[in-house]
Amino acid sequence: TAGITQAPTSQILAAGRSMTLRCTQDMRHNAMYWYRQDLGLGLRLIHYSNTAGTTGKGEVPDGYSVSRANTDDFPLTLASAVPSQTSVYFCASSDSEGAGNEQFFGPGTRLTVL
Amino acid sequence: GQNIDQPTEMTATEGAIVQINCTYQTSGFNGLFWYQQHAGEAPTFLSYNVLDGLEEKGRFSSFLSRSKGYSYLLLKELQMKDSASYLCAVRDSNYQLIWGAGTKLIIKP
Repeated sequence: TAGITQAPTSQILAAGRSMTLRCTQDMRHNAMYWYRQDLGLGLRLIHYSNTAGTTGKGEVPDGYSVSRANTDDFPLTLASAVPSQTSVYFCASSDSEGAGNEQFFGPGTRLTVL
Repeated sequence: GQNIDQPTEMTATEGAIVQINCTYQTSGFNGLFWYQQHAGEAPTFLSYNVLDGLEEKGRFSSFLSRSKGYSYLLLKELQMKDSASYLCAVRDSNYQLIWGAGTKLIIKP
């Protein structure tokens, strides 16, 4: 079982360009999440999806969009990248939004915007 | 606002015991999680507490006091591989995780 995969592993992007970070899980989890992790800060939630067909905004959604067309995939799109979006991006999934179900994380995408 | 506080860095000796504290102020409480994150890797789940008390899992234990907004992660018989960052996260009233910045644990021989 692969768990959660993310692509690409790393990317250097020119400011103003668009990019989609891919995330796929094979655990049939209902909920999926996108976080960014910056030095000295905790993981910050960008967007989430509690089930296929629904999405919601997290703590830092500006400049990002997501879609959840099916259970397995949850892509994150930067429409026009800015240097402040330089970060490590983690996708995660969990079996349910409630109870004690922990989140499982993908390996991350390291994005540099120049 | 919501806030999770944990020490930035701690140092301990191989074979010893270390306690990593976490205090929180959140809008609602639906459980507290501890994750381990090695440098350059993804966080991995360690423990979950929703009721007051101690949860033991091998060399790792986690304690929760909801009235004090306080938790700690206790690591026993430290090994070099335990060198990592330890992340405290609280599930709030919206069932979203609020994360601390993490505690970097350095293990010395």
